[in-house]
Amino acid sequence: KTQVEQSPQSLVVRQGENCVLQCNYSVTPDNHLRWFKQDTGKGLVSLTVLVHENDKTSNGRYSATLDKDAKHSTLHITATLLDDTATYICVVGDRGSALGRLHFGAGTQLIVIP
Amino acid sequence: DMKVTQMPRYLIKRMGENVLLECGQDMSHETMYWYRQDPGLGLQLIYISYDVDSNSEGDIPKGYRVSRKKREHFSLILDSAKTNQTSVYFCASSLSPGGGALEQYFGPGTRLTVL
Repeated sequence: KTQVEQSPQSLVVRQGENCVLQCNYSVTPDNHLRWFKQDTGKGLVSLTVLVHENDKTSNGRYSATLDKDAKHSTLHITATLLDDTATYICVVGDRGSALGRLHFGAGTQLIVIP
Repeated sequence: DMKVTQMPRYLIKRMGENVLLECGQDMSHETMYWYRQDPGLGLQLIYISYDVDSNSEGDIPKGYRVSRKKREHFSLILDSAKTNQTSVYFCASSLSPGGGALEQYFGPGTRLTVL
């Protein structure tokens, strides 16, 4: 059973609009949660990592929240640009070290149109 | 500039042929990984290597084997490739930190098609 569920599966927004991507998970323990951006045909690039209960992070136009009680995270993208077109992947780590496992969501495909 | 490289980037093979995918990293990371990515699924871990000649199976190791003879290189081998091994393969590497969130660095991927 998939332990990391992302919604929506795909999303189309106009340049300049804001959008919110959701990640729900059942991974236990949940040491940390990371959001990656994957451009078409490329590898995964880390956007932000959340570690603590009720963590909030900000990285330019990207901001994220984590609710460990609800096992839920959101990624907000403000004032989208055409270059934001990509797949955004939520990943939950069950440990902080390499002895743990990373649990990957299937991703949300974001398309930004002019 | 920290980097994970993969070769080749694209590969087409016939069923039954052997396949060698190469991965390199220039960060002296101890731990390296091989994943595959299929449409609609999250990345799945094939093998993990904790250092030279210290490899462990991941979640889907069947049909694959790995080799790590130098810390900076990690190879994925498919002996007698099958059509269901058509996928995009990603290599990653990480440091083993004393604490905090593990960060993995990903290569650009190899798109393998098995006909």
